[in-house]
Amino acid sequence: NAGVTQTPKFQVLKTGQSMTLQCAQDMNHNSMYWYRQDPGMGLRLIYYSASEGTTDKGEVPNGYNVSRLNKREFSLRLESAAPSQTSVYFCASSVNRGREGQYFGPGTRLTVT
Amino acid sequence: TQLLEQSPQFLSIQEGENLTVYCNSSSVFSSLQWYRQEPGEGPVLLVTVVTGGEVKKLKRLTFQFGDARKDSSLHITAAQPGDTGLYLCAGAGTGTASKLTFGTGTRLQVTL
Repeated sequence: NAGVTQTPKFQVLKTGQSMTLQCAQDMNHNSMYWYRQDPGMGLRLIYYSASEGTTDKGEVPNGYNVSRLNKREFSLRLESAAPSQTSVYFCASSVNRGREGQYFGPGTRLTVT
Repeated sequence: TQLLEQSPQFLSIQEGENLTVYCNSSSVFSSLQWYRQEPGEGPVLLVTVVTGGEVKKLKRLTFQFGDARKDSSLHITAAQPGDTGLYLCAGAGTGTASKLTFGTGTRLQVTL
């Protein structure tokens, strides 16, 4: 089992460029999440998908879109990157609705210049 | 908005010492989770506590959920350099939503 995988590991974008962060899990989990982690701010939820076919906004959704492609995959898209989106992005999954704990990927380090 | 405050923010101790990290909120949580994160990696789930007053042990780590399910503590006995990392607590709300609220973390360094 690979657990939660994320691609790419590192990315540098110029302001205004777009990109998609990919996430996949092989644990047959129902729920998936996207977080960003910034110094002094902790982990903040961007979007989540409680189950296949549903997505909901988290704490900081502006500037992002998501797609729950199937049960395994949950992608995060930045349509027009801004320097404020420089961060480390983590994807996570849980069996059901997160109360039992979440399993995180290794992260994508994104720099927007 | 539910908030989780962790204390202390930073802790530097020597190998063999004991320590306690606290996670406090004014909100009630259906469960409380503790994670450890090492540099360049994602958080790793250590434990989930669900029942008020619950105590769970993981080798030298002892986790406790407050009776009112608003707070939690992590106690490490005889800390080792391998315990170094960022410790995060996270609370799951009592509603049907899937969201966790994370604390800002306690950065622990254990030196020889």
